[in-house]
Amino acid sequence: DTEVTQTPKHLVMGMTNKKSLKCEQHMGHRAMYWYKQKAKKPPELMFVYSYEKLSINESVPSRFSPECPNSSLLNLHLHALQPEDSALYLCASSQVSGTGVGYTFGSGTRLTVV
Amino acid sequence: RKEVEQDPGPFNVPEGATVAFNCTYSNSASQSFFWYRQDCRKEPKLLMSVYSSGNEDGRFTAQLNRASQYISLLIRDSKLSDSATYLCVVNGGTSYGKLTFGQGTILTVHP
Repeated sequence: DTEVTQTPKHLVMGMTNKKSLKCEQHMGHRAMYWYKQKAKKPPELMFVYSYEKLSINESVPSRFSPECPNSSLLNLHLHALQPEDSALYLCASSQVSGTGVGYTFGSGTRLTVV
Repeated sequence: RKEVEQDPGPFNVPEGATVAFNCTYSNSASQSFFWYRQDCRKEPKLLMSVYSSGNEDGRFTAQLNRASQYISLLIRDSKLSDSATYLCVVNGGTSYGKLTFGQGTILTVHP
C-alpha cells in the first residue's frame, strides 16, 4: 500500500461551521504533513508531525487545529474559517522528517468556505 | 530573495523536443532536492530525486550543482503526456524537515 488517502475530496463549509479533514497512510511513515495550496501557487507547509508529535507549526492561525491520533492518521480540525482559507489542502507523509526521501502526497481536499 | 526560484514559463514545445528547466535555491545548508510533477487540479507527485552525480530515469535527467546552488531537469523526446507543472523542491536548510517548493514551471507539449 503506497497511498496517502484523504477525505473528503471536496468540502463546502460556512464560516461558522466546524469540520475536519482526515488523512491516512499505511506505509509505516513516521512523519506526516499538512500543506495548503492556492490556485496557481506552490504548496505551502502548515504543520509537520514527527513520531506523532507536532514538530513544525508555520505560524498557522488557530482556526486550523491539527491532530495526530496515531502513526497512521492525521486530522485537521477547522473552525470559524474565512473565505480566503478556500484552497486545496494536501496531506503528505515520509519515512522520517528531514530525510532525503521524497514525500508522498494524498490527492487533497478541495475546501470552499462560503 | 525566494528560497527556491524557478522560471514559471510557460514552455510550449512540440512533441519530440528537448526541454530544460532550471532552479536555484538560496540556502547552502539545504540537504535534499527533488523534482515533482503536478497535473492540473491534482496532487504533486515525485518525479525524481536529484543528486550531485546526476541521475537519469528514462527520458528525464536531473542534475545538482551545489557550488552554484542550481538544479536542472532535462526532458528528452517530449510527449503530450509530459504537459504539467514541474516543481523544484528543496528539503532542509532553513527549517529541517520542511519541503520548500519553487513556483513551478508550466510545460505544454503540443502535437
